[in-house]
Amino acid sequence: GAVVSQHPSWVICKSGTSVKIECRSLDFQATTMFWYRQFPKQSLMLMATSNEGSKATYEQGVEKDKFLINHASLTLSTLTVTSAHPEDSSFYICSATGTSGRRYMDTQYFGPGTRLTVL
Amino acid sequence: RKEVEQDPGPFNVPEGATVAFNCTYSNSASQSFFWYRQDCRKEPKLLMSVYSSGNEDGRFTAQLNRASQYISLLIRDSKLSDSATYLCVVNMGGMDSSYKLIFGSGTRLLVRP
Repeated sequence: GAVVSQHPSWVICKSGTSVKIECRSLDFQATTMFWYRQFPKQSLMLMATSNEGSKATYEQGVEKDKFLINHASLTLSTLTVTSAHPEDSSFYICSATGTSGRRYMDTQYFGPGTRLTVL
Repeated sequence: RKEVEQDPGPFNVPEGATVAFNCTYSNSASQSFFWYRQDCRKEPKLLMSVYSSGNEDGRFTAQLNRASQYISLLIRDSKLSDSATYLCVVNMGGMDSSYKLIFGSGTRLLVRP
């Protein structure tokens, strides 16, 4: 149980285009989803936290107008990188937590990540 | 000071060796603690939770010292497949589902034949 999928697994795009990344919880209700970014040889950095049906809470230094997050259902959150530039190239990972049956999950479960390269 | 600090390594050990990783955290109100494993270009995967009483899962033993704000992971009888980066992770939030994980920068382990 506790499977999280992400799509696409990798994407290459031109500078100035927008890229949408999907994160899905496959076998549980994800009341909260998190978006992280990881640059090479660095740790995961939390970008934003989203609760289903609410606006996302962004970490300091993360532009909410550039990284649009939608968490419209208990199984899907999307991250859209608008007007992507080469410095946005990174490994984007989502995670989710919530309820499985009637039990709160005790940690976050991660998607496989999306590697974004902006040319 | 970083919220979660780890020695970046790499730790280069022969197969069969015992290796220990340490981690310190700054927020004394932290609620729960974990070790994750991350392979190159992959997502982190939960290795084990860490409890004050200590817990063991096969060759892996984790310990938490709340007074010293210190977490450890011991790997016995290292295997080649243990080569990875080990992330110390601290939950800064509450005990419900809306918590916030802070990741250490990771300790890289290389197990050689």
